[in-house]
Formats: sequence, C-alpha cells, structure tokens
Amino acid sequence: DGGITQSPKYLFRKEGQNVTLSCEQNLNHDAMYWYRQDPGQGLRLIYYSQIVNDFQKGDIAEGYSVSREKKESFPLTVTSAQKNPTAFYLCASSIGREETQYFGPGTRLLVL
Amino acid sequence: GQSLEQPSEVTAVEGAIVQINCTYQTSGFYGLSWYQQHDGGAPTFLSYNALDGLEETGRFSSFLSRSDSYGYLLLQELQMKDSASYFCAVRDMDSNYQLIWGAGTKLIIKP
Repeated sequence: DGGITQSPKYLFRKEGQNVTLSCEQNLNHDAMYWYRQDPGQGLRLIYYSQIVNDFQKGDIAEGYSVSREKKESFPLTVTSAQKNPTAFYLCASSIGREETQYFGPGTRLLVL
Repeated sequence: GQSLEQPSEVTAVEGAIVQINCTYQTSGFYGLSWYQQHDGGAPTFLSYNALDGLEETGRFSSFLSRSDSYGYLLLQELQMKDSASYFCAVRDMDSNYQLIWGAGTKLIIKP
C-alpha cells in the first residue's frame, strides 16, 4: 500500500537536545512538506522540498533543519534553538507543488 | 497580508445540513482547499475549488466565489463520524503555491 509514514508517534525531548523526526513516502511524489500544529490552531509551514537535494524555508523555519537526500525521505530536526518545540508535527507530500497534499499520521513532540 | 477566517465552532444535529464558511485575503489566490481532521489524527483532503461554483463529492460540496473572496463547505445528511475539525486552506501563487491554512472549525454533531 502506498502512503506516508512518520515515526515515532510520540517523542520526548530534553533541554538542549536535538531530535529528528522521520518522514517516508512511497507515493513517488516529488514534493514534501513539514508543518507544525499547535492546539486549536491551523497548520504552519516549517520547510518544504520540491525536488531531491533542494528545500526552502516556510513561515516558521527558525530552530528547525531538514535534508532531502532521497526522494522518499524528508527528515526534520528540531534543534535546541527551538525554544518552544511542543507541538504536533505533520509531514505531507504531493505530486507537484500545485497538487493535493497528503498527510502522514503525525508525531507529537513533548519537552521533558 | 494573508489571512483566512472561519468560525471556530459549529454545532448541528445528526441528519441535518451544515455550512462552514471561509473568507480569505491573499495577494496571489490560486485555489481553495478543504481538509477534515479528527482529534489526534492527520488532515485528510476533501475538496478543491479553483474556479467559481460548486464542486460536489458525495455528501460534501464546496463552493467558491473569487470576486467575494469567499468559500464554503456544505455537509449533508450529517453523521456522528463527521464530528471533526474542518480547515480551509488557500493556495497562494505569491508564496510559491504553498497552502495558507485557516485556524479550523470544530464541528460538533448532536444526536
């Protein structure tokens, strides 16, 4: 079955620690995205990538980093510079930048 | 600037019809999408309007008026499983065709 997987489902971060969230898709989509969702809020774009080895900052990129070394994978690192990382993180992909986005199940990040 | 407005909460009765409105302000409007999100889950795509008019997909329909910067999602024959949050999202040409999301409307359905 084709789809988008994210792991882990829950992630705990200690003070000063970097953590990496995984996102994998087997839909053969070119574009991939990372969003952050806070309670009662809409989605805010962190980073997006339209093609392998290329990515652009979204509205709230500070404190985050990404890589796109393979078409199927778009990991997100939440660095210690992100002072308020507690949120629900959603990865999405689409055939192209103008096409419908499909979402993974999300990772909930909590700070210890 | 860019902004979207939708009601924070709507309540309806099982079997009824409900309309969720969305007004937007963007410089490079390209299209309006609707997504459904159940508590703790991921958003799932419902519909997309690029041109004025009504798009129908089963019990769900979506309408767009570009001249009024307005759209709505219409849900018919409401079922308890439709209880969820509904998000409108504008695709913006001036933001490299990225989606700009509203804050969501929580739909509460009563038996």
